[in-house]
Amino acid sequence: DGGITQSPKYLFRKEGQNVTLSCEQNLNHDAMYWYRQDPGQGLRLIYYSQIVNDFQKGDIAEGYSVSREKKESFPLTVTSAQKNPTAFYLCASSMRSPWTGNQPQHFGDGTRLSIL
Amino acid sequence: DAKTTQPNSMESNEEEPVHLPCNHSTISGTDYIHWYRQLPSQGPEYVIHGLTSNVNNRMASLAIAEDRKSSTLILHRATLRDAAVYYCILDPQGAQKLVFGQGTRLTINP
Repeated sequence: DGGITQSPKYLFRKEGQNVTLSCEQNLNHDAMYWYRQDPGQGLRLIYYSQIVNDFQKGDIAEGYSVSREKKESFPLTVTSAQKNPTAFYLCASSMRSPWTGNQPQHFGDGTRLSIL
Repeated sequence: DAKTTQPNSMESNEEEPVHLPCNHSTISGTDYIHWYRQLPSQGPEYVIHGLTSNVNNRMASLAIAEDRKSSTLILHRATLRDAAVYYCILDPQGAQKLVFGQGTRLTINP
């Protein structure tokens, strides 16, 4: 079945450590997104990518980095510079583009990151 | 970013219709209205979207006011699995991102 796979489901990080969250999609979507969700809050955009080898900062990019070397993959690295990384991280993809209009986003089931 | 206003929470009974309101008085002519829902510990799920006309799909109906300053998501016959947080989002044409607010937490009573 087509969809978005995030792994791992749960992740623990030690202080000062970088960790990478995986996001893979087989929907053939050009656009991919990373969001952060804190308890009881809505989603906030970290980074997004409209095409391979290109990405833009979202509203809360500090302390995070991404890459987009393949259409199917958009990994997110939470660096040691992110001082409050404990959150629920969600990856999404979309056919959205200037040519396809406002297509919906499809989300993965998320990765819950905690600090040890 | 254009804003939406939704009630923090709503409650309904199983097998009854549910009407979830959303106000968006600052909507512009090319803003789409999107609805997503999020079940506990899962990613959001697309429900429906529209621009001017009312829309129906297998999950729900979207009723858009004539002046487009408000809309209502209608679940025709709620089930326990419809208990979730429902987000109403304005999506400007050509926008590259969605801006999620706090949403409405819907509780369904057996």
